[in-house]
Amino acid sequence: DAGVIQSPRHEVTEMGQEVTLRCKPISGHNSLFWYRQTMMRGLELLIYFNNNVPIDDSGMPEDRFSAKMPNASFSTLKIQPSEPRDSAVYFCASSFIGAGLNQPQHFGDGTRLSIL
Amino acid sequence: QQPVQSPQAVILREGEDAVINCSSSKALYSVHWYRQKHGEAPVFLMILLKGGEQKGHEKISASFNEKKQQSSLYLTASQLSYSGTYFCGTETRETSGSRLTFGEGTQLTVNP
Repeated sequence: DAGVIQSPRHEVTEMGQEVTLRCKPISGHNSLFWYRQTMMRGLELLIYFNNNVPIDDSGMPEDRFSAKMPNASFSTLKIQPSEPRDSAVYFCASSFIGAGLNQPQHFGDGTRLSIL
Repeated sequence: QQPVQSPQAVILREGEDAVINCSSSKALYSVHWYRQKHGEAPVFLMILLKGGEQKGHEKISASFNEKKQQSSLYLTASQLSYSGTYFCGTETRETSGSRLTFGEGTQLTVNP
């Protein structure tokens, strides 16, 4: 079975440019999570969706970040404008959840983002 | 609030045992454990639910003490393949709903 698919795997762009990260969750999963990982801050939850609806976006750093899930098989995380401090590895994960977050999360391979 | 993991790093020789601890200041509903190898994605190991259960997965097991808001991961007779960073994720209930927060990780190195 296909796992969580993220694209691109690597992105290098200049400060001020718009960046769009993409994620395809595992078919049948009803929740999708966006994480950011850095050495300084570790693995941080940015936002998660349940049945395509954003549930908790309290981890989104600021208005420059936005996330959408237009359907059950696709999500985007957009940064506009990008800044050097946004450089990190961004992971997408999916899961099938009921009441609570007590099911395994399956992570994609991540997007390594570098903002120059 | 981020759970606290200890130790931050541990170095073992193949065959030795290790314990990684995870504690929270908040009431926990479940605890997740993941392992991440360098340059790769985190991989799920196990979940422990409220009820103080203990789980095992070959030579890797874990316990969850909900009263103490703590979980421990036990690695016995370690193998080279166990090397990586281990993260606990703690499920708490917030006004916005359930949230999973990861600790800073414990870097485990197993040497021959």
